[in-house]
Amino acid sequence: AQSVTQLGSHVSVSEGALVLLRCNYSSSVPPYLFWYVQYPNQGLQLLLKYTSAATLVKGINGFEAEFKKSETSFHLTKPSAHMSDAAEYFCAVSERNNDMRFGAGTRLTVKP
Amino acid sequence: DADVTQTPRNRITKTGKRIMLECSQTKGHDRMYWYRQDPGLGLRLIYYSFDVKDINKGEISDGYSVSRQAQAKFSLSLESAIPNQTALYFCATSDLARTDTQYFGPGTRLTVL
Repeated sequence: AQSVTQLGSHVSVSEGALVLLRCNYSSSVPPYLFWYVQYPNQGLQLLLKYTSAATLVKGINGFEAEFKKSETSFHLTKPSAHMSDAAEYFCAVSERNNDMRFGAGTRLTVKP
Repeated sequence: DADVTQTPRNRITKTGKRIMLECSQTKGHDRMYWYRQDPGLGLRLIYYSFDVKDINKGEISDGYSVSRQAQAKFSLSLESAIPNQTALYFCATSDLARTDTQYFGPGTRLTVL
């Protein structure tokens, strides 16, 4: 079955610094890959998704992620962190006709 | 109005009680899912349904059951609640024709005493 590993349960950056959240996946077929964000006391919101088109995917709020098949990775980046980016981020993998699997999540803290 | 709604939003119950969590969607999606979220464990799939006549167990289905009453409605039941079922529960929907992106409800916080 497909799976996702998120490296680092908690990442802390300063405002204006680069954000890098790491995600590695395992899948037996070409996967769909997703990043979701969860703000406090809210449900999950889609940030971006990879569906076998361009390997560099741009999402909302200035985030982007790059699909690297050779590294089985789909890391999330943002050049300059804002205080409003503080949230929990989940990477997920889907094998189309199978269910979606989520990583354990990475909590991002942004320091002023 | 929200596309995916969950009721109730919060519930406190006692061990041994039967509980039903309800999910409704107006997105017209065929696929619906129930997850639970626990700190440090992310989201774990309980059950999913690819259409009204299709119900599948997820990673952690023991102690839970579901009912897909219509395309738009998917209910999760705890027949006899226990304290380790205290968690945040999310319903989601997706449409394979649109890359299977999942859309989440606001969640139900369940506490079992």
